[in-house]
Amino acid sequence: DAGVIQSPRHEVTEMGQEVTLRCKPISGHDYLFWYRQTMMRGLELLIYFNNNVPIDDSGMPEDRFSAKMPNASFSTLKIQPSEPRDSAVYFCASSFSGEGWLGNEQFFGPGTRLTVL
Amino acid sequence: AQSVTQPDIHITVSEGASLELRCNYSYGATPYLFWYVQSPGQGLQLLLKYFSGDTLVQGIKGFEAEFKRSQSSFNLRKPSVHWSDAAEYFCAVPSNSGNTPLVFGKGTRLSVIA
Repeated sequence: DAGVIQSPRHEVTEMGQEVTLRCKPISGHDYLFWYRQTMMRGLELLIYFNNNVPIDDSGMPEDRFSAKMPNASFSTLKIQPSEPRDSAVYFCASSFSGEGWLGNEQFFGPGTRLTVL
Repeated sequence: AQSVTQPDIHITVSEGASLELRCNYSYGATPYLFWYVQSPGQGLQLLLKYFSGDTLVQGIKGFEAEFKRSQSSFNLRKPSVHWSDAAEYFCAVPSNSGNTPLVFGKGTRLSVIA
């Protein structure tokens, strides 16, 4: 299994541009999470999906952020327009609830390092 | 809401020395507890987890953690640190009962010196 795949690994863009981050979860996993990591705020949960349906997006910082999961094997996190304070590492993670939710490990992707100039 | 506190932001140990990273949790019921490790430039990887039963949990890479309910702690230990253990370590707990995701501590950065 290739694990959770994220693209791109690095993104440098200018303020005001649209940014789209992509994630392919592990096949068979039914939960998908988007996190943001910064030095100041640590690891923050932005949004998570169960069976492609958004369950909780209360961590999404502003309306500039949106996430979709059109099918079980793909999700996007979009920032439009981007701002310098959005610079961070964005992680996607997935998990499988088959054995009971709390027992299951979240598998993280390698992250996308976003720099907004 | 449930939470975890990692009191140490940065710890430096000598290679071969023992290690203990602290984690205190706030949780309304019997907690499920996790330790993750993040190597530089990588995502998080699960080291170990506690659900119930034996309070001493063994994980990968020679790590272990002990759940102490009386102290609301789940400290991570390793008897002899290797240079490759230099990384960021995160303690985590479910944010609430039921089907909800994990809440992570701020992390402890471990440096290993020769």
